[in-house]
Amino acid sequence: GENVEQHPSTLSVQEGDSAVIKCTYSDSASNYFPWYKQELGKRPQLIIDIRSNVGEKKDQRIAVTLNKTAKHFSLHITETQPEDSAVYFCAATPLTGGGNKLTFGTGTQLKVEL
Amino acid sequence: EAGVTQFPSHSVIEKGQTVTLRCDPISGHDNLYWYRRVMGKEIKFLLHFVKESKQDESGMPNNRFLAERTGGTYSTLKVQPAELEDSGVYFCASSHRGVNTEAFFGQGTRLTVV
Repeated sequence: GENVEQHPSTLSVQEGDSAVIKCTYSDSASNYFPWYKQELGKRPQLIIDIRSNVGEKKDQRIAVTLNKTAKHFSLHITETQPEDSAVYFCAATPLTGGGNKLTFGTGTQLKVEL
Repeated sequence: EAGVTQFPSHSVIEKGQTVTLRCDPISGHDNLYWYRRVMGKEIKFLLHFVKESKQDESGMPNNRFLAERTGGTYSTLKVQPAELEDSGVYFCASSHRGVNTEAFFGQGTRLTVV
């Protein structure tokens, strides 16, 4: 089955700096890679996703890159703000007939310091 | 649109007792998933319903866990008898039918077995 590794487990940056979180996956059949953000006491929420037919996707200060050959994908947050502080999870799923059995990484606790 | 709701938000039970968790998915979502996060680790898949049918229960830890989705609406996850290692946060998620559509998560139930 799929195995997703995520690094780092904790990341502390100064406000305004960039943050990068990296994930690797094992199943070459995986074709959908969502990123979830979980703020303290709240539900995980999808912030961006990428499919294997593209190499990069941006949404304002957030971008995700995908390298299918190397089987890794990364989340980039620019101009970090205190409200970016949260746990971020990457996930991967292979193409199926329906539904998303997501395999998650272990999460990255991002702290943006003033 | 109401989100995915889970009850209770917290539960503390003694080893050997029974606990039932409930999930109300977003109305109209045929896919319903249960996941679990043990402290500091990844969010792990437990099982997947399509309407009332179990599509994939490969992640269920053992036969002490029983999930149901009668009528294809809300779902329950019963743990009987609970063991210490069952402690963690249990998440429910739902999505529309189709390949790789967004999964919306509930806030989770934090289960502590003492």
